[in-house]
Amino acid sequence: GAGVSQSPSNKVTEKGKDVELRCDPISGHTALYWYRQRLGQGLEFLIYFQGNSAPDKSGLPSDRFSAERTGESVSTLTIQRTQQEDSAVYLCASSQLSGGLGQPQHFGDGTRLSIL
Amino acid sequence: GENVEQHPSTLSVQEGDSAVIKCTYSDSASNYFPWYKQELGKRPQLIIDIRSNVGEKKDQRIAVTLNKTAKHFSLHITETQPEDSAVYFCAALRDTDKLIFGTGTRLQVFP
Repeated sequence: GAGVSQSPSNKVTEKGKDVELRCDPISGHTALYWYRQRLGQGLEFLIYFQGNSAPDKSGLPSDRFSAERTGESVSTLTIQRTQQEDSAVYLCASSQLSGGLGQPQHFGDGTRLSIL
Repeated sequence: GENVEQHPSTLSVQEGDSAVIKCTYSDSASNYFPWYKQELGKRPQLIIDIRSNVGEKKDQRIAVTLNKTAKHFSLHITETQPEDSAVYFCAALRDTDKLIFGTGTRLQVFP
């Protein structure tokens, strides 16, 4: 597609439920990132997929959070047993791999998650 | 690991004035420094970036300067307009493709 696509755009769920968020990166982008952005706050790194290498999971806040990516395509972020503090916008971004030289990250519109 | 500090957290300017946002980074090996603009309720969008082999880069009313010795880089917006109002994030990248973001600056341009 033309840009990074995320779904759903909004998700409201009850505390304790599991949620799954989806990201479709730009075609050909090998790197994919998930960030969390709480209201009025900055971008909190969660996880990074880099081609066929093992993902960098250093930003995941707890074992309730997990993410998968199939090859160089879709990624899903799963939050189990959601808590109210999980309420935030979850942003996905993708970029070409640059071998450490830096490539622009292109963001999706995010999923706004609200935990009741 | 890398740490990026961004100042100020909020900035208010009159339309037509200049705005400057500064970021400092901790890892001297960082080599790529993008700036993102995020309007309210929208996605962050790249507005300009600079690599460590360049000291300054301009794109119309926007410029970024890099001082590798002092480990800081700045965003300069000239002739500000109300549509420049947004939150601006700086970021730094070292030898991986993982960006470290600053905490953001909320810029308000008053007509």
